[in-house]
Amino acid sequence: NAGVTQTPKFRVLKTGQSMTLLCAQDMNHEYMYWYRQDPGMGLRLIHYSVGEGTTAKGEVPDGYNVSRLKKQNFLLGLESAAPSQTSVYFCASSYQNQPQHFGDGTRLSIL
Amino acid sequence: SQQGEEDPQALSIQEGENATMNCSYKTSINNLQWYRQNSGRGLVHLILIRSNEREKHSGRLRVTLDTSKKSSSLLITASRAADTASYFCATGGVGSNYKLTFGKGTLLTVNP
Repeated sequence: NAGVTQTPKFRVLKTGQSMTLLCAQDMNHEYMYWYRQDPGMGLRLIHYSVGEGTTAKGEVPDGYNVSRLKKQNFLLGLESAAPSQTSVYFCASSYQNQPQHFGDGTRLSIL
Repeated sequence: SQQGEEDPQALSIQEGENATMNCSYKTSINNLQWYRQNSGRGLVHLILIRSNEREKHSGRLRVTLDTSKKSSSLLITASRAADTASYFCATGGVGSNYKLTFGKGTLLTVNP
């Protein structure tokens, strides 16, 4: 039972490049989330999904897009990476009203 | 915007001592949760307390919630070196209790 798996674990991008972060969960959770964690800032919600085919904006959605084509997968895209998007990105999943389960993060550096 | 604010930002204690961390928040909540994060890892859920509850226990953990003061505390008793981690409180809002707002965390160091 893998739980929540994030791919890749590390990535370095140049400004302006695009990339997609993949999150996969095997717990049949309806809800999935993308957060970013910056030093001294805690976690901030980027986008979330309450079910297959649905997405919604969180606290800091600008510069990111998401898709939830399959229930078990939640993709986070950066269309044109900027240095301000250097961060650690965490994916989480949950049932409604239940605690969230987190992946181990993707460490992204944008030069 | 940050909803929860943990206090202190950092705490260093000796093994066997108790550790207390506090969390304050600003708006009405449906629930408050505590998570632990070991260095380089994702967050792990510790305990959830609902707005109509005042205290909860789980093993060596005790959480209290005072909605009149908009504050919560996490007590870890008889701490161990393995408890060294960052601890975050997160609040679930009324009407959207699945969307959590996290505080900035308390870094706990337990010295052997």
